[in-house]
Amino acid sequence: EVQLVESGGGLVKPGGSLRLSCAASGFTFSSYSMNWVRQAPGKGLEWVSSISSSSSYIYYADSVKGRFTISRDNAKNSLYLQMNSLRAEDTAVYYCASRTGGFDYWGQGTLVTVSS
Amino acid sequence: IQLTQSPSFLSASVGDRVTITCRASQGISSYLAWYQQKPGKAPKLLIYAASTLQSGVPSRFSGSGSGTEFTLTISSLQPEDFATYYCQQLNSYPYSFGQGTKLEIK
Repeated sequence: EVQLVESGGGLVKPGGSLRLSCAASGFTFSSYSMNWVRQAPGKGLEWVSSISSSSSYIYYADSVKGRFTISRDNAKNSLYLQMNSLRAEDTAVYYCASRTGGFDYWGQGTLVTVSS
Repeated sequence: IQLTQSPSFLSASVGDRVTITCRASQGISSYLAWYQQKPGKAPKLLIYAASTLQSGVPSRFSGSGSGTEFTLTISSLQPEDFATYYCQQLNSYPYSFGQGTKLEIK
């Protein structure tokens, strides 16, 4: 069974940092591109970042470029999102998702709250 | 690439046939996916490549379109289909989602 489990969310002050993790199991993690998607409270989905299977290609939304860093460790079947210089508008549930045709498997999400 | 869904809200009854439209600001070939999301849950992939049904998704869901205009059709609404639906383009980065269509029970 495919499982994606996010962790690392929490309450952080504006300007602070947080590192999210996504543990994958049940599929060949190293063969798939991976993604982060977020959803602010009561709002729609926003794509955040993508990383190719070998980490050769990395993309970010303009809203997080220069502040967030996506990475992966295929030996540990894990995806990461380092978030620096956090702002109130980064408050959201953050999901990791794998991609084949679409974003076919999603984790349950981890809540990040940026507030003083 | 901006995606605009219509309508944003839709009220329908069990058994109804409903259609949601997604328009892209520029051509995206068939690189479009549809998702269903229920409150407090992660999105679920329904359709990818505009018209390919994801494994395990009921056949009452169908997708069509290419270029800039796409539709998601539910042929006969079931109680479990009341949710919010999103389209997403995967033609080019930055990937983008539509604003969502909330499907409510009439």
